[in-house]
Amino acid sequence: TQLLEQSPQFLSIQEGENLTVYCNSSSVFSSLQWYRQEPGEGPVLLVTVVTGGEVKKLKRLTFQFGDARKDSSLHITAAQPGDTGLYLCAGLFGNEKLTFGTGTRLTIIP
Amino acid sequence: NAGVMQNPRHLVRRRGQEARLRCSPMKGHSHVYWYRQLPEEGLKFMVYLQKENIIDESGMPKERFSAEFPKEGPSILRIQQVVRGDSAAYFCASSPTRASYQETQYFGPGTRLLVL
Repeated sequence: TQLLEQSPQFLSIQEGENLTVYCNSSSVFSSLQWYRQEPGEGPVLLVTVVTGGEVKKLKRLTFQFGDARKDSSLHITAAQPGDTGLYLCAGLFGNEKLTFGTGTRLTIIP
Repeated sequence: NAGVMQNPRHLVRRRGQEARLRCSPMKGHSHVYWYRQLPEEGLKFMVYLQKENIIDESGMPKERFSAEFPKEGPSILRIQQVVRGDSAAYFCASSPTRASYQETQYFGPGTRLLVL
C-alpha cells in the first residue's frame, strides 16, 4: 500500500506571508496532483506534475515535483484569505488508482 | 456542461438502516470512482466502475457495501445495515476514460452521511 504523508498537518499564518507544504512518499509516482478542498465541497484539481524536477506556476502558487518523483512541494507567495482550505496531494501509481495524502489544513488570518 | 452531481448532499440514517448514495457523472464520462473521507483525513479509494462493470473494488469493505453503475442512470453506492463508523463524506469522481496522468478525475460535491 502506497502512503503519502503531507506536512504540516495544520498551518495558520498571517495574510501576506509565504508558506510551503510538502508531500512525501516512499514510492515513485507516475504523476502527482494537488487539490484544494473547501468545506462542504469536493476536491478541485489545481495542477498535475509528471516529470521529475518539474516546476509549475499557477499565479501565486508554485508546485515542484522532486527529481526522483517521490516528493512534491507547494509554495504560496503572499498568502491571501481566499487561499484558506484543505490542500491534498494525490499520487497516481502504476495501477492508475489515485492515492491521496493526509492533507494540510491551511488558514490565512486577515 | 454540468459537473458531477451527487445526491443527497446530506443523509441521516439510524444504525441498521440502508443508505443509498447516487452519482451522475459528467456528460460523456463513462468511468466513475467512489472515495470516502473521514473527518480531518484525505480521501480513500473505494471502487472504480465503468458502465455495467466493476473494474476495481479493492477499497470496498468486504461486507455491507456494494456499488453499481448501470447502463442507464446514476452510479449507486449502497451501504446496508449502517453503523456509526460509516459516518463520513462520500465523494464520486468521473473521467471520460480510465484515469491516467493524461485524464483528470472530476469530483462531485459529496454526500455527508451521518449515522445516529
